[in-house]
Amino acid sequence: KNEVEQSPQNLTAQEGEFITINCSYSVGISALHWLQQHPGGGIVSLFMLSSGKKKHGRLIATINIQEKHSSLHITASHPRDSAVYICAVSGETSGSRLTFGEGTQLTVNP
Amino acid sequence: DAGVTQSPTHLIKTRGQQVTLRCSPKSGHDTVSWYQQALGQGPQFIFQYYEEEERQRGNFPDRFSGHQFPNYSSELNVNALLLGDSALYLCASSHLRGWGQPQHFGDGTRLSIL
Repeated sequence: KNEVEQSPQNLTAQEGEFITINCSYSVGISALHWLQQHPGGGIVSLFMLSSGKKKHGRLIATINIQEKHSSLHITASHPRDSAVYICAVSGETSGSRLTFGEGTQLTVNP
Repeated sequence: DAGVTQSPTHLIKTRGQQVTLRCSPKSGHDTVSWYQQALGQGPQFIFQYYEEEERQRGNFPDRFSGHQFPNYSSELNVNALLLGDSALYLCASSHLRGWGQPQHFGDGTRLSIL
């Protein structure tokens, strides 16, 4: 079993829909990261959080430390949101070393 | 302010050859981490360099080695290439080993082994 599990693996939505991607982890963490990867390969950090909730534009990330679970929400989705969204964790003792989930391929159709 | 730059962007090698990939960290960063991402998978940690020394290593064989230079740039070397080494190799940089910080990623080097 992977230390970081994401669901769903693939997600197709219509423009304007509310989207949720889930992440569960099984290890102690210092922080959880949500990242976005476009087809070219480059990865952009969206959020780093260790408790509660963060919001940036139409993106919201939440984390429940007790349940070892995080969600990434996208409100009013748009075709330009189409990308792979990856959850990763920094372990309690591993510094900035990241352990990644396998990613969620999101496609938003116009 | 230049971000993380990696070179080359694409590379084709044959089995048994050796390859060197390069990474320049974001300005102000002194720590470089390397990841391997196979097609359809999440990235896997290879190793991290700080103060010109390997500080952490993931579950990769000794064929994978690296180096960090005084200007904080880094190289990843892979010897005796196998078909399974075909992947996107990502470099990420941070400051002071990145405790409590998001990492900044380059666009990666796509390595194909024939």
